[in-house]
Amino acid sequence: GESVGLHLPTLSVQEGDNSIINCAYSNSASDYFIWYKQESGKGPQFIIDIRSNMDKRQGQRVTVLLNKTVKHLSLQIAATQPGDSAVYFCAENLYDDKIIFGKGTRLHILP
Amino acid sequence: EAGVVQSPRYKIIEKKQPVAFWCNPISGHNTLYWYLQNLGQGPELLIRYENEEAVDDSQLPKDRFSAERLKGVDSTLKIQPAELGDSAVYLCASSRRPRGSKQTNTEAFFGQGTRLTVV
Repeated sequence: GESVGLHLPTLSVQEGDNSIINCAYSNSASDYFIWYKQESGKGPQFIIDIRSNMDKRQGQRVTVLLNKTVKHLSLQIAATQPGDSAVYFCAENLYDDKIIFGKGTRLHILP
Repeated sequence: EAGVVQSPRYKIIEKKQPVAFWCNPISGHNTLYWYLQNLGQGPELLIRYENEEAVDDSQLPKDRFSAERLKGVDSTLKIQPAELGDSAVYLCASSRRPRGSKQTNTEAFFGQGTRLTVV
């Protein structure tokens, strides 16, 4: 069916280490993917996006990788900081700006 | 630039009562979304507007939910009557796509949401 899901509901990472959050999507026709960060009591906040004609995109401390062959998306956060604690959602743009979210991964930062 | 503004932030009502949420999107954004988010879940799309037209309301429970976006700017989402299962966070988001463009891939900006508790 049309769904975007995440492999792990919770991820704990030592402060300063790199974090990798994974996402599997099921709709091969999706052409645009977005990672959002949601802190407690706030709405989702855009982190980084990637189009289907790319396999990697880098931002500030974040990198998104797209593997269309296995329909897999990942978000890498370098040198994880306490402020990175949040729930991370991947989302796919099915068509005409219909954005569908996965269930989310909660990232815990260990001191 | 002001972000997406939603009100109220919190609302507690008794079941069977009506409730309304208001959203002011980012200026110039022609696409507006209403999402529902249950605890521990990702946002689920309820309705999407392109300007004043509802282009996707397939997930909106039309027996009790209604929405409008008069003049293609602000929007209201209403529930009447509310049920216990409607307790959730209602998120509004907006994005900008040039008129007549078929380009997808537009980032949506979210408001802080309205947390509804039905008792």
